[in-house]
Amino acid sequence: EVQLVQSGAEVKKPGDSLKISCKGSGYSFSSYWIAWVRQMPGKGLEWMGIAYPGDSDVRYSPSFHGQVTISVDRSVSTAYLQWRSLKASDTAIYYCVRHSKMGSSLSWFDPWGQGTLVTVSS
Amino acid sequence: IVLTQSPGTLSLSPGERATLSCRASQSVSSSSLAWYQAKPGQAPGLLIYGAFSRATGIPDRFSGSGSGTDFTLTISRLEPEDSAVYYCQQYGTSPLTFGGGTKVEIK
Repeated sequence: EVQLVQSGAEVKKPGDSLKISCKGSGYSFSSYWIAWVRQMPGKGLEWMGIAYPGDSDVRYSPSFHGQVTISVDRSVSTAYLQWRSLKASDTAIYYCVRHSKMGSSLSWFDPWGQGTLVTVSS
Repeated sequence: IVLTQSPGTLSLSPGERATLSCRASQSVSSSSLAWYQAKPGQAPGLLIYGAFSRATGIPDRFSGSGSGTDFTLTISRLEPEDSAVYYCQQYGTSPLTFGGGTKVEIK
């Protein structure tokens, strides 16, 4: 079974750093793009960026470029989403998703990770 | 590409037909449009890809149609478990984008 399992919920203060993870299993992790999607409280879905484990290529949505860092470590089949300095407005659920077609970043998302709730509050 | 979904909320009874619209600001290449279902407290899941192909395990009461800039998700006979928010997504042009979602409520 193809599966993405994300790290647990986090509660942080403004200015803290954070790195959340997404571990893939049941497929060739190196061969499929992984994306991150944000869902702010009561809002819709926003595509943040993608990474290709095969060569660590990373691309960002213009809205998120410079705000977060996406990385992958294919040796442990894990993708990461990182913040250097969190803000209250980063409070959201973050989902990792796998692109459905091998080697293609222009494909639908399937499956989705279970989501990681990040709460930033003083 | 901006995707606009309508209506924002749909309130219908079990057995009724639901019609959800997704309109794109420019043509979606190769009908690269997907629909996802997000139930409360759960991650979204794939329903439809390629505008009309059902994902594995999705009942045939869910169907997708459309091309170019206008796409539709139809739920032919609503069941109580269909209560969710439905999102469309275009994946033909980067950056990939989602619509704002349509909430389907079952009376």
